[in-house]
Amino acid sequence: QSALTQPRSVSGSPGQSVTISCTGTSSDVGAYDYVSWYQHHPGKAPKLMIYAVSERPSGIPDRFSGSKSGNTASLTISGLQAEDETDYYCCSYAGTYTHWVFGGGTKLTVL
Amino acid sequence: EVQLVESGGGLVQPGGSLRLSCAASGFTFSTYSMDWVRQTPGKGLEWISYITGSSNSIHYADSVKGRFTVSRDNAKNSLYLQMNNLRAEDTAVYYCVGDASYAFQIWGEGTMVIVSS
Repeated sequence: QSALTQPRSVSGSPGQSVTISCTGTSSDVGAYDYVSWYQHHPGKAPKLMIYAVSERPSGIPDRFSGSKSGNTASLTISGLQAEDETDYYCCSYAGTYTHWVFGGGTKLTVL
Repeated sequence: EVQLVESGGGLVQPGGSLRLSCAASGFTFSTYSMDWVRQTPGKGLEWISYITGSSNSIHYADSVKGRFTVSRDNAKNSLYLQMNNLRAEDTAVYYCVGDASYAFQIWGEGTMVIVSS
């Protein structure tokens, strides 16, 4: 069982928006603004989409946005495109002992 | 092109050892902290080790502490993971990751490790 809880799957139609939640605790998501999100096409290298809760790396479209409230972080993908269909993982810093915890991953289906 | 390429994975018997390597290119390797992250079959991602650019700080997940050793050679732009006393639950794809701004910025495509008799 992963430390952070994500829905196993979400879906949306092209052009719509979807939000993926990531629930942790006051020791990880709630304690640090170091939540990141990764897009992972199986067999490929995972790709950083969001870091520091809501920052986008260079080259990531502004259709991807992140937020956090309390112990829950969220990734919102607007204007869904077919190529967005894949797995998404959240991650949070959890202090100097545990270091990093991941969510179990969410499979996004574009209908 | 920024790139990380892992190697050294394979099939090993329980209790055996394996050494993973990661070759970095396209960025200033010595300025990046590096991590190993693994993905077990059908499951999610798990962070397992961290090493600073100068190797002066190293950390491990409890699941591998005492069995795995991370090291790096900045002159060779390479990261290593020595894995001893391997268990079935260590079966996973192992990713080499460049770490900056409290995020896993650069990922390799991974190398598969299978621990089985």
